[in-house]
Amino acid sequence: KAGVTQTPRYLIKTRGQQVTLSCSPISGHRSVSWYQQTPGQGLQFLFEYFSETQRNKGNFPGRFSGRQFSNSRSEMNVSTLELGDSALYLCASSLPTGSGGEQYFGPGTRLTVT
Amino acid sequence: DQQVKQNSPSLSVQEGRISILNCDYTNSMFDYFLWYKKYPAEGPTFLISISSIKDKNEDGRFTVFLNKSAKHLSLHIVPSQPGDSAVYFCATRAGNQFYFGTGTSLTVIP
Repeated sequence: KAGVTQTPRYLIKTRGQQVTLSCSPISGHRSVSWYQQTPGQGLQFLFEYFSETQRNKGNFPGRFSGRQFSNSRSEMNVSTLELGDSALYLCASSLPTGSGGEQYFGPGTRLTVT
Repeated sequence: DQQVKQNSPSLSVQEGRISILNCDYTNSMFDYFLWYKKYPAEGPTFLISISSIKDKNEDGRFTVFLNKSAKHLSLHIVPSQPGDSAVYFCATRAGNQFYFGTGTSLTVIP
């Protein structure tokens, strides 16, 4: 099976712009979660989607949004970029939690805001 | 508020010796505990997990211990190998949401 893929891998944006990141989960995985990783902060949970519905949301401002399509692919959008949004954004997919729920991560998108 | 803490940012161990990575959590509602390994420029990869109803789970060189009364989780790697050098994250689950620690960078010295 192909793993989780994320595009683009690297991105440089200017303050005030918006950005859209894409994630394709492992085939058959319907849950997709997004995380922000910054030095010293570990992985901070952004949101989780299951069957096109947002089930959980982390403590991030409304500038961060996401969606999931019927084929389970997911996108996240950050509007009005700030310097502090520079981070590695990771997407993870998983089977339903009853199966144990371990997540499979993509390689991430490295976003740099200048 | 950090619900999962890894208080050691880094750890160095000699090849062949035991590596012990620690993790503390605050929420007694967590029902599943996991460890992930991360190499630079890659996403985290699942290593081993344990359910809250158990206190030990072993998979080859990797053993995870859970002490619910102390709200403490540890990962033992025996024997440590240079290829184990990576950042290790512990994670906990409550419902459909996962909480990650800040990671411990393990260096195994040949």
